[in-house]
Amino acid sequence: EVQLVESGGGLVQPGGSLRLSCAASGFTVSTYWMTWVRQAPGEGLEWVANIKEDGTEQYYVGSVRGRFTISRDNARNSVYLDMNNMRVEDTAVYYCARYQYGTSATFDLWGRGTLVTVSS
Amino acid sequence: HSALTQPASVSGSPGQSITISCTGTSTDVGGYNYVSWYQQYPGKAPKLIIYDVSNRPFGVSTRFSGSKSGNTAFLTISGVQAEDEADYYCNSYTKASTLEAFGTGTKVTVL
Repeated sequence: EVQLVESGGGLVQPGGSLRLSCAASGFTVSTYWMTWVRQAPGEGLEWVANIKEDGTEQYYVGSVRGRFTISRDNARNSVYLDMNNMRVEDTAVYYCARYQYGTSATFDLWGRGTLVTVSS
Repeated sequence: HSALTQPASVSGSPGQSITISCTGTSTDVGGYNYVSWYQQYPGKAPKLIIYDVSNRPFGVSTRFSGSKSGNTAFLTISGVQAEDEADYYCNSYTKASTLEAFGTGTKVTVL
């Protein structure tokens, strides 16, 4: 079955760090851009970061640039999001998604998400 | 970053057609044919229902269709059904540093 499964969410204090993981199955991540999208409680979707197939390019939304790092391990068919100096406003469900980029710009496969809560 | 503008809510009776708008600018919706639409039920992950303005992924109902005019994209649900009651988000590639812009989201209610 083609799927993405996120893990690593939880409760963290402001200023703390957390690493999210996204494990892919049923397809090879090395042939796709991958992305993280988040959704704060009761709010809409917000794109967070993209990473190119080979990991040589990464892009971030301004509010996380310098604090979050997206990476990938194609050998493990996985993608990661390292979050540092976290803020209350980073509280959200974080979704990993496959990103069809080049001839399109589409998030065509989504995981179920993992909840991150930043609170003291 | 600037989100694309969608109506907060749209409603219709079963069997009616409803249309959701998604308004951006010439640097996103108007500049690229890379508009996609996502359906999200409460507590669930988003699901792709339209990509590249008007294309439907395999398995998505033909009741869903997409179009674009200038800086505004549209999602039409023809013959809306109770199962279509959900939140809908548009997305567009953008020339801005964010690269991707989501819409503000529209709650569809079937009366």
